[in-house]
Amino acid sequence: TQLLEQSPQFLSIQEGENLTVYCNSSSVFSSLQWYRQEPGEGPVLLVTVVTGGEVKKLKRLTFQFGDARKDSSLHITAAQPGDTGLYLCAGAPGNKLVFGAGTILRVKS
Amino acid sequence: GAGVSQSPSNKVTEKGKDVELRCDPISGHTALYWYRQSLGQGLEFLIYFQGNSAPDKSGLPSDRFSAERTGGSVSTLTIQRTQQEDSAVYLCASSSRTLMNTEAFFGQGTRLTVV
Repeated sequence: TQLLEQSPQFLSIQEGENLTVYCNSSSVFSSLQWYRQEPGEGPVLLVTVVTGGEVKKLKRLTFQFGDARKDSSLHITAAQPGDTGLYLCAGAPGNKLVFGAGTILRVKS
Repeated sequence: GAGVSQSPSNKVTEKGKDVELRCDPISGHTALYWYRQSLGQGLEFLIYFQGNSAPDKSGLPSDRFSAERTGGSVSTLTIQRTQQEDSAVYLCASSSRTLMNTEAFFGQGTRLTVV
């Protein structure tokens, strides 16, 4: 059983569509991170959310941390082919950083 | 360099041979992680080093896997008697742990293929 459950596992959409990716847990986290990974590369940090209810925006990406600090979401507005990649959420229960299984996003032009 | 460096980038080995994977973390980062990633999948935690503390080895899948971190810097992940199921990308990450977060900076990984 994954500590961090991500959904959906795979998403294929047309350019210009909106989408939301979810990261859920039964555990409380002091912070959650979102990473994006492109083929052949290591994951790269997009954002860290630290306060329950927090909303952070990064251009067309909106990240939200749940009030209870057990879940987070990533919303992409008007997706572009350049958004294609593997999106991973991560948190640190204790000292080590653990990752969800990821959401593979494919944006078709 | 400024980033996390891993070598080799690709490794093909015969089943039953031992392999060593190397990670040079960002200078000054006290935390170092090893993860394993199968094609299109998430990251499987393997081992975590933090400063001079005993490493967290809870993610190592079998006793064929071991890792060392010398002088608080470079780390080597060793896989003995490799099996085909060991084929994956092995990712190393380092972080400078702060009070509120643990952002990790990743290398490009070592793609291991066991034939």
